[in-house]
Amino acid sequence: QVQLVESGGGLVKPGGSLRLSCAASGFTFSDYYMSWIRQAPGKGLEWVSYISSSGSTIYYADSVKGRFTISRDNAKNSLYLQMNSLRAEDTAVYYCARDLGQGVYYFDYWGQGTLVTVSS
Amino acid sequence: SSELTQDPAVSVALGQTVRITCQGDSLRSYYASWYQQKPGQAPVLVIYGKNNRPSGIPDRFSGSSSGNTASLTITGAQAEDEADYYCNSRDSSGNHRPVFGGGTKLTVL
Repeated sequence: QVQLVESGGGLVKPGGSLRLSCAASGFTFSDYYMSWIRQAPGKGLEWVSYISSSGSTIYYADSVKGRFTISRDNAKNSLYLQMNSLRAEDTAVYYCARDLGQGVYYFDYWGQGTLVTVSS
Repeated sequence: SSELTQDPAVSVALGQTVRITCQGDSLRSYYASWYQQKPGQAPVLVIYGKNNRPSGIPDRFSGSSSGNTASLTITGAQAEDEADYYCNSRDSSGNHRPVFGGGTKLTVL
C-alpha cells in the first residue's frame, strides 16, 4: 500500500535551518509529481512547493521562495525540503503529498506530517 | 487571504443532505478537489475532477461545479462525516499554482 512518511521536524530558532524528508513506498515514486503542504496550528492548509516526477519542474509559494528548496532522489524514493532562514510564521505541520496526475494538483495520498516549530 | 472562499462553518442534522461550497475565479476554468480532515489526522482526498471519488470514499460524497462555484455534497450525513473540509484548485493569477480554500468546519447534529 502507498505510504509516505515524513521526518526531520523539530524546534529551531528563527533564522535557522531544517531539512525535511519524506520516504515513499508502495508505488513507483519516479512516476509521480510530489508536493509539500503545511498547516499552521489551528489554521488551514497552505501549499508550499511542488516538484515534477523528474525534478525538472519546481514551483514555490511566494511565502517561501528564496528560502526553501525542494528536491527528490528517485533512486531512494525520497522527497526533501530544505528550509533556511526560518521564521516564526513557518511554524506548522508539514505534509508531503502525492499528486494523482501530472501536475493536476489532486493530492491523493498524504503522509502523517512532521511538526516544525520556529521559536527562540 | 485565500483565493478560494469557503464558509467557515456549516451544520447538518444526522441523515440529512448538506452542501459545502467553494468560490473562486479559477473554478471557471479548473475543477476543484475536496479534502476531509479530522482532528489530529492528515487530510484525505474525497472528490477530484468533475465528480470522482477515490477508492474507499462512500458514494454519499459527490461534487459539482457551476460558474465560479464548486460544491461538495454529502447525501445522508453520518456522524463520522464531522470534520473540516478544504477545497483546492489553481490560483487565478496565471501562474497556475495550487491554492486551498480556508476550510469549512462541518458539524453533524
